[in-house]
Amino acid sequence: EIVLTQSPGTLSLSPGERATLSCRASQDVGTTYLAWFRQTPGQAPRLLIYGVSRRATGIPDRISGSGSGTDFTLTISRLEPEDFAVYYCHQYGSSPNTFGGGTKVEIK
Amino acid sequence: QVHLQESGPGLVKPAETLSLTCAVSGVSIDSSSYHWGWIRQSPGKGLEWIGNSYSRGGTYYAPSLQSRVTISLDKSKNQFSLSLSSVTAADTGVYYCAWGGLPPHWGQGTQVTVSS
Repeated sequence: EIVLTQSPGTLSLSPGERATLSCRASQDVGTTYLAWFRQTPGQAPRLLIYGVSRRATGIPDRISGSGSGTDFTLTISRLEPEDFAVYYCHQYGSSPNTFGGGTKVEIK
Repeated sequence: QVHLQESGPGLVKPAETLSLTCAVSGVSIDSSSYHWGWIRQSPGKGLEWIGNSYSRGGTYYAPSLQSRVTISLDKSKNQFSLSLSSVTAADTGVYYCAWGGLPPHWGQGTQVTVSS
C-alpha cells in the first residue's frame, strides 16, 4: 500500500499570501495518477490538479502542482477566500488507492 | 461531459446491507479502460477508498472492507453499484462514486446514515 503523508497538518496564513502544501509517498507514484482535491465544510471534494500538474477545468493558474516520484507539492500563489479549506492528495494508479490525511489552510 | 450521480437509501438499519447506485453519463462504462469506484467520508474524517472495478475485468477492495463489499458494473444501464453488508454505525458517512480517468470525475456524494 502506498502511504501518502501530507504536511503540515494545518497552515495558518493571511489572504494574499503564498501556500505550499506537501504530499510525500512511501513509494514511487509516477506522474499520471496523482491528484489534489480541495474541500470546504459540507461540500464534496473538488478536483484541483490531476496528473501531478494538470489543472482541472475552471481552476485558476494561481494554483499549481509539481513533483515526481515520491514528493509532490501544491502551491497557491495568492490565497483567496475560497482557498481556506482542507486539501487532500490522492493516488489512484495502484490498488489500494490512497489519500493523504489532509492539510487544513486556515485564516491567520 | 462526464457526469456521475449517486442514489440510494439515506437510512440503513444496523446489520443490513447498504446498496447504492451510480448513474454515469458522458462516457461508456463498457468502453472505458479506467476504473469505476467508490470512496466514502465519515463525519469529521478524511477520505477512505472503498474499491474499484474495471470493465475489462478485475475488482479491488480496501482490505478493511473486503469481506463485506461488492462493486458491480451494469453495462446495459451504464451504471455501477456498491453493496456493503452487515453495516454498523461506523459505516455512516457520505459515499462518492468515481471514475478514474484523466481527469478523474466524482459524483456529488450521497449521505448514508446507519441507525435503527
